[in-house]
Amino acid sequence: DAGVIQSPRHEVTEMGQEVTLRCKPISGHNSLFWYRQTMMRGLELLIYFNNNVPIDDSGMPEDRFSAKMPNASFSTLKIQPSEPRDSAVYFCASSLRGVGARETQYFGPGTRLLVL
Amino acid sequence: KQEVTQIPAALSVPEGENLVLNCSFTDSAIYNLQWFRQDPGKGLTSLLLIQSSQREQTSGRLNASLDKSSGRSTLYIAASQPGDSATYLCAVRGSQGNLIFGKGTKLSVKP
Repeated sequence: DAGVIQSPRHEVTEMGQEVTLRCKPISGHNSLFWYRQTMMRGLELLIYFNNNVPIDDSGMPEDRFSAKMPNASFSTLKIQPSEPRDSAVYFCASSLRGVGARETQYFGPGTRLLVL
Repeated sequence: KQEVTQIPAALSVPEGENLVLNCSFTDSAIYNLQWFRQDPGKGLTSLLLIQSSQREQTSGRLNASLDKSSGRSTLYIAASQPGDSATYLCAVRGSQGNLIFGKGTKLSVKP
């Protein structure tokens, strides 16, 4: 398996622009997680899906952030409009929930976002 | 609210030393605990996962222990190598499946 795939790997944009981050989870996994990592706050969960349904979006910072999972093999995280404080590394992870020791989360390489 | 703390924030050791990284969490009602490794500019790689009913897990030179009642976990690295240099993150899994991370320990192993 290719692992969790994220695109783009790097994104530089100007304040006010819309940013869309994409994630393809590992085939067969039923849970998908979006995290954000900053120096100040470390890794924080933004939202996660189970069987394509959003379970907990309490980590989404504001209404400017939205996430979708239209099918089991694709998810997007959208920021509109983007602000400089959104600059961070955004990680997507997937897991096979409820299968004991196999419930390891596997992370993608991340998208490094810089909002100028 | 679950909080995860990792001490020290940074650690530098000479090659060959055995070392221990510490992780503590405030709520003992966890499903499991995972240790990850993160290399600069890279994603996270899972190292070990300990279920709440387990006391330890081993993989090669790595040994992770879990004391749920005291809210502590340790990651023991034997015979450290320069290739072990990375940031090590501890994360606990809550009942909903999400992971709550510590801020990591940045390890540097000097040749």
